[in-house]
Amino acid sequence: AQSVTQLGSHVSVSEGALVLLRCNYSSSVPPYLFWYVQYPNQGLQLLLKYTSAATLVKGINGFEAEFKKSETSFHLTKPSAHMSDAAEYFCAVSRAGGYQKVTFGIGTKLQVIP
Amino acid sequence: SQTIHQWPATLVQPVGSPLSLECTVEGTSNPNLYWYRQAAGRGLQLLFYSVGIGQISSEVPQNLSASRPQDRQFILSSKKLLLSDSGFYLCAWSGAPGLYEQYFGPGTRLTVT
Repeated sequence: AQSVTQLGSHVSVSEGALVLLRCNYSSSVPPYLFWYVQYPNQGLQLLLKYTSAATLVKGINGFEAEFKKSETSFHLTKPSAHMSDAAEYFCAVSRAGGYQKVTFGIGTKLQVIP
Repeated sequence: SQTIHQWPATLVQPVGSPLSLECTVEGTSNPNLYWYRQAAGRGLQLLFYSVGIGQISSEVPQNLSASRPQDRQFILSSKKLLLSDSGFYLCAWSGAPGLYEQYFGPGTRLTVT
C-alpha cells in the first residue's frame, strides 16, 4: 500500500519569501515521488519527479524537492515566492510496475501575499 | 511532442441525462489512460484506467463507465447523471515502462443540475 500526506491544506507566504510545502509518504517498496501544480480550472502540470536517482530534484519554475528516506519526506521548496506561484500543489507517490498507479495527496493551496 | 485533449471544457447537464466525455492523446502509442474526478477539497479520485484497447479497470463503483475504442481515445460515460457526479474530470496518460509520471489534460467541469 502507498499513501501521501500533505501537511497544511492552505499555506500563505509573502512575495519573495521561502516557499515550503510538506509531503510525507508511505510505501512498502522504494517509491517514485512527484509534485504537480494546478492553476484554477486547469489540469495538473508535472513540476518535478524523484525516481531513485539524485535525492535533490530540481524542477520547473525554480522549485526543488529533496527525498529523505529516513524521514519519509519529499518537501517542495522555492527560495523566493512569486505572485505567479499561487496555485494548488499535489504530492504523489507511485512505484515500479506494469501499471503505474499513482496516489495523490489532497493538495495544498499556496497563497502569495504581495 | 505528446499532447492530450479533453472536451467539452465545461458542461451543464440535468439530473438523469446521459454523459459522454472524450479524451484523446497525440504523439504516443499504446499509452496507459486514466480518468480522475476532482471534487473541492477532496483531491483526485481515480475512476478508471486502461492499459490497452478494450481493457478497462474500475477503481470505484459508481454509475459511470469508460471505454477505449481506439488506442489513444478514452471515453467516460453515464446513462443517467446524479447530482453527486458534479466535479472536475481529468484525463491523464502515462507512457512506456520506466516513465512513471502521468500527464494530464485540461479537464472538463461538469455541473449536474
